[in-house]
Amino acid sequence: EAGVAQSPRYKIIEKRQSVAFWCNPISGHATLYWYQQILGQGPKLLIQFQNNGVVDDSQLPKDRFSAERLKGVDSTLKIQPAKLEDSAVYLCASSLVKAATNEKLFFGSGTQLSVL
Amino acid sequence: DQQVKQNSPSLSVQEGRISILNCDYTNSMFDYFLWYKKYPAEGPTFLISISSIKDKNEDGRFTVFLNKSAKHLSLHIVPSQPGDSAVYFCAAVTNGDMRFGAGTRLTVKP
Repeated sequence: EAGVAQSPRYKIIEKRQSVAFWCNPISGHATLYWYQQILGQGPKLLIQFQNNGVVDDSQLPKDRFSAERLKGVDSTLKIQPAKLEDSAVYLCASSLVKAATNEKLFFGSGTQLSVL
Repeated sequence: DQQVKQNSPSLSVQEGRISILNCDYTNSMFDYFLWYKKYPAEGPTFLISISSIKDKNEDGRFTVFLNKSAKHLSLHIVPSQPGDSAVYFCAAVTNGDMRFGAGTRLTVKP
């Protein structure tokens, strides 16, 4: 079974530039998550999709971050414009239904973003 | 708002000995807890979980203990192996909202 695919693996940009990340979840997984992991911290949820609808985007900085999951399958996360503090690993995860009481998440390898 | 805390950034143990990783939480509404393991350049992978109605769950060399009154859980690895060297994240869930601790880097020395 193929895992969660993410690209690119690494990205280096200058502040105020734009960047986009792509994620393809495990086939059949209805729920997709984007997490931000800053060095030395645990993953923090940015946005959660159930199929192609947004379930939770309360921690997404909407003035600069946007995400979409067209057709309920793959997803893109965009930052425009980037700030120095956006330097982090961006992790995509998926689950079969929802992060309910007995469901684990499957994570991709992440995209390491460096903003200079 | 750190609802899940792993106060030890790192832990070093000798191969064959027990590794004990600790996690504290503040939100009494958490009803499910998970441990994830992360190797460098990879995403976290699920290791073991426990429901709030239990106080212990065991899977091979891994055991998770939950002390609800103390809002504390721990992961025991016995015996520890060099391949267990990784960063371990504690996570807690309530109403579909999963929160992670900052992680503990475990090093198992041969």
